[in-house]
Amino acid sequence: GNSVTQMEGPVTLSEEAFLTINCTYTATGYPSLFWYVQYPGEGLQLLLKATKADDKGSNKGFEATYRKETTSFHLEKGSVQVSDSAVYFCALAGSSGSARQLTFGSGTQLTVLP
Amino acid sequence: EAGVAQSPRYKIIEKRQSVAFWCNPISGHATLYWYQQILGQGPKLLIQFQNNGVVDDSQLPKDRFSAERLKGVDSTLKIQPAKLEDSAVYLCASSLEGVGTEAFFGQGTRLTVV
Repeated sequence: GNSVTQMEGPVTLSEEAFLTINCTYTATGYPSLFWYVQYPGEGLQLLLKATKADDKGSNKGFEATYRKETTSFHLEKGSVQVSDSAVYFCALAGSSGSARQLTFGSGTQLTVLP
Repeated sequence: EAGVAQSPRYKIIEKRQSVAFWCNPISGHATLYWYQQILGQGPKLLIQFQNNGVVDDSQLPKDRFSAERLKGVDSTLKIQPAKLEDSAVYLCASSLEGVGTEAFFGQGTRLTVV
């Protein structure tokens, strides 16, 4: 079945540092890949997505590239802010039927210090 | 656009009691999901509906959990009887049809079983 392996946290960075959160996946066919973010006290919300190989998703300064050859979708940001402190989840979804459900990684807690 | 609505936000019950959660998805979203998120873990799918039919309930503990989707819109998730290990946040999400479509999440119901 589908699975997502995500870099374990927690991750603590200083403001303006470079961020990488690693994510690799196992899936049949051509899944869509997502990063969701959960801010303290809030629900999960989509941060970015990519639906085919070599696509780059981007939002709020975050980027991730769908690499089929390495089955990876690493999240990056060049300069983090205190407001980026949250839990980040990598997820994938298959292309049809029951496979369209989101399968999540275990999450990475990011804390950005001023 | 109204988001996914869930109630209650918090619930504390004793083990062996029963509890029900309610979800109202975004209007027009055919697909509805219930996820269980245990503290420190990623969300795990319990059940997926397409309109009012079940697409996947392979991870739903059917001896104690049940779910229904009324007229293809609202949904309820019930636990009877509850166990201590059911303590978690229960997330409802909905999405449109189509590859790579975003799932929108409600704020969740935090269940504590004592």
